[in-house]
Parts: sequence; C-alpha cells; structure tokens
Amino acid sequence: GAVVSQHPSRVICKSGTSVKIECRSLDFQATTMFWYRQFPKQSLMLMATSNEGSKATYEQGVEKDKFLINHASLTLSTLTVTSAHPEDSSFYICSASDRGSNQPQHFGDGTRLSIL
Amino acid sequence: GENVEQHPSTLSVQEGDSAVIKCTYSDSASNYFPWYKQELGKGPQLIIDIRSNVGEKKDQRIAVTLNKTAKHFSLHITETQPEDSAVYFCAASLSGDKLTFGTGTRLAVRP
Repeated sequence: GAVVSQHPSRVICKSGTSVKIECRSLDFQATTMFWYRQFPKQSLMLMATSNEGSKATYEQGVEKDKFLINHASLTLSTLTVTSAHPEDSSFYICSASDRGSNQPQHFGDGTRLSIL
Repeated sequence: GENVEQHPSTLSVQEGDSAVIKCTYSDSASNYFPWYKQELGKGPQLIIDIRSNVGEKKDQRIAVTLNKTAKHFSLHITETQPEDSAVYFCAASLSGDKLTFGTGTRLAVRP
C-alpha cells in the first residue's frame, strides 16, 4: 500500500519550455502533497506544500509564479515549471501522506528535468 | 525553524558488520522522526520511523533509537548486506507535517 506515482520520470527540453510533472497517490487519498527539489549528492529541499482544493504554500525563496502547483483532487497534484531555464534542471520529487494526522510521507520516484 | 544534522556523510562497512547513522535536531517540538533509503535515480523509501512517545523501535535488521532530552536519534542496521548500499536520510517533523531532512549518509557495504 501507500504507492505514489510520479510522471514523467525524465524530461529533456529546450529553454523557455513549460514542463508539467504529475504526482498521484494510487491507493490512498492524499489531503496533502509535498514537492521537493534535489541537487546531485545533496539532500531534499522542500519547495511547497500542496493542499487539495486550496492554494499551495511555498517555502521561502521559491517563486510561486515559476513553479505552479495544482492539487485539484485527493489523488493528483501537478507541478508546472514555467519558462524553464538551465538553472531549473534538477531532480523533482513529490510525496504524499494518507488522510489524517501522523501518517508517514511516501515518495514518488522523482522526475529528472534537464533544460538545454 | 527546524535544523537536522546527520553524521557521517559517508560510511563503508564490511558485509555482515553493523552500521550506525546519527542525527540531531534543534526543535524540541518535533515529534516524528522517519528514516528514508534512497537508491540511485529513485525517490526516498521509508524504512522505519519513530515517534517521540517511544525510545526505540525495531524491524528485523533495522532499529531506531530516540533520545528526546539530547535531541538526537540514530539508525542501526545489523548484519549488513550489499543491497543495503544506498543513501540514507533522517528527517524530523511535527506530527508528520513538513519534513526537514538531514544531509544524508552514503552507505557502502563491501562484499
């Protein structure tokens, strides 16, 4: 149980393109989903917290107009990197927890984004 | 905000030996401490977690201990196997909300 699916696993695109990443909870309902960014050989840095039916909460220093988050249902959250540039290249990972408090976060397998 | 420190950054052990990874946290309000294993090119996988109302938890070869007074917690892996080789992250949070991760430990188990 508690499977989180992330798609696509890898994206290579030209500078200026917008890229959408999907995060789905397959066997549970996720009131809250989280989006992280991870640089090579570094830890996970939280970008934003996505709440179903409401606006996402962004961490300090994360541009909300650059990284658009939509959490339209209890099983799907999307992250759109708008007008991507090479510095946006990174490993993006989502996580989700089952409804209710004190539930572990389960992670997707990440999306490796490469902007040329 | 919460700050989590993790040591060592790299650890190499002989197959069959034990491995210990230690973390300290700064926010005494944190009450949930998960450990994740991340293999190359994959997302983190939850391997064990502990809440502040217990001091120790064990699951087969993996155990976690928590010292709330000192604000540190540790991961213990016994009888290590080559497939245990990965990067391990500790994390801390308040009731499973936002996780603050440690810097990671790259564990290598030598056959």
